[in-house]
Amino acid sequence: GDSVTQTEGLVTLTKGLPVMLNCTYQTTYSPFLFWYVQHLNEAPKLLLKSSTDNKRTEHQGFYATLHKSSSSFHLQKSSVQLSDSALYFCALSNNNNAPRFGAGTKLSVKP
Amino acid sequence: AQTIHQWPVAEIKAVGSPLSLGCTIKGKSSPNLYWYWQATGGTLQQLFYSITVGQVESVVQLNLSASRPKDDQFILSTEKLLLSHSGFYLCAWSLLGNSGNTLYFGEGSRLIVV
Repeated sequence: GDSVTQTEGLVTLTKGLPVMLNCTYQTTYSPFLFWYVQHLNEAPKLLLKSSTDNKRTEHQGFYATLHKSSSSFHLQKSSVQLSDSALYFCALSNNNNAPRFGAGTKLSVKP
Repeated sequence: AQTIHQWPVAEIKAVGSPLSLGCTIKGKSSPNLYWYWQATGGTLQQLFYSITVGQVESVVQLNLSASRPKDDQFILSTEKLLLSHSGFYLCAWSLLGNSGNTLYFGEGSRLIVV
């Protein structure tokens, strides 16, 4: 069946450093990949989405590229801020099914 | 613009008591509607989805039920709460099309069962 894997449960970084959160997936159909961000005590919000192979998608300083050859959609940012501390979910979908979410990665940014 | 509203924002309920959580979507006609559950710091578990009024599909069995009495309303309920029902309940909508079923979440309802 379809699956999404986020390997890091917790990532702790100092402000200003770059970050990459890993996301890999398995599916038999043409995928849509998403990144959602959830700040403490808030609902998840869409950060990025893509279905185009090898095209970089950017929003609010975050970016990701869907690589179908490696089934990956890693989230990156060149310089993290304190306000980026949150839970980040990678999700997989197609046009017919609701997105399936990964386990989530908690990003903690220290001063 | 579309808006999604959930109620109540938070509840503290006793084990064995009934529960009803609601969700209303405005500004979108015939959306797909979903209920998700999240343990503290955990992943998002889909509970139910509905593509039209009166039709609800269950994804997991958690002694909960859902109904869609109107096009813009989705209700989650149970007659007897369990301790394991504690968590964050999120309603979401999407539209059929070529956007991969992008989900947009409501603000959530936090439930503590004691």
